[in-house]
Amino acid sequence: DGGITQSPKYLFRKEGQNVTLSCEQNLNHDAMYWYRQDPGQGLRLIYYSQIVNDFQKGDIAEGYSVSREKKESFPLTVTSAQKNPTAFYLCASSSNQLSNSPLHFGNGTRLTVT
Amino acid sequence: AQSVTQLDSHVSVSEGTPVLLRCNYSSSYSPSLFWYVQHPNKGLQLLLKYTSAATLVKGINGFEAEFKKSETSFHLTKPSAHMSDAAEYFCVVSDNAGNMLTFGGGTRLMVKP
Repeated sequence: DGGITQSPKYLFRKEGQNVTLSCEQNLNHDAMYWYRQDPGQGLRLIYYSQIVNDFQKGDIAEGYSVSREKKESFPLTVTSAQKNPTAFYLCASSSNQLSNSPLHFGNGTRLTVT
Repeated sequence: AQSVTQLDSHVSVSEGTPVLLRCNYSSSYSPSLFWYVQHPNKGLQLLLKYTSAATLVKGINGFEAEFKKSETSFHLTKPSAHMSDAAEYFCVVSDNAGNMLTFGGGTRLMVKP
């Protein structure tokens, strides 16, 4: 079945360490997104990529980095510069413009930094 | 700029009674609007979308929403709640270019037996 796979489901790190969250899709979608979810704040866009080897900052990109070397993969690195990294991170993809094509989401990675 | 306000952070209903989740939006153009549902520790799933066709949109699992331009609203309804409907619901607006989504803060629906 086609879909989006995020791994790991739960991740624990010490403060000051970088950590990379994996996101893989086999839907042949061009666009991929990373969102951060905090209680009561909905989803906030971190980075998005509409095509391989290109990506754009979202609303809260500071302290994060991404790469898009392959169409299927869009890993997110949470760096030590991110002030409050503990959150639920969701990866999504879409086939074309968001007004016409809905987002398909992975099941998320819950990151806890202590 | 666009924004979305979900008027209730929590809604509690009894099984078998109607559901109403309220959403107001602001946008400087004709928006596309979506409702997504999220079950605990899962990703979001599309319930329904409005893209300037019929103003009453039917979605999955018996949900529907009505686009009211004069009221800038896109409320989600269901005639009869089921226990499996308990989840968090997000109202979402897309910009005119279709490149950016703005999410509401979410409404947690609780269904009592």
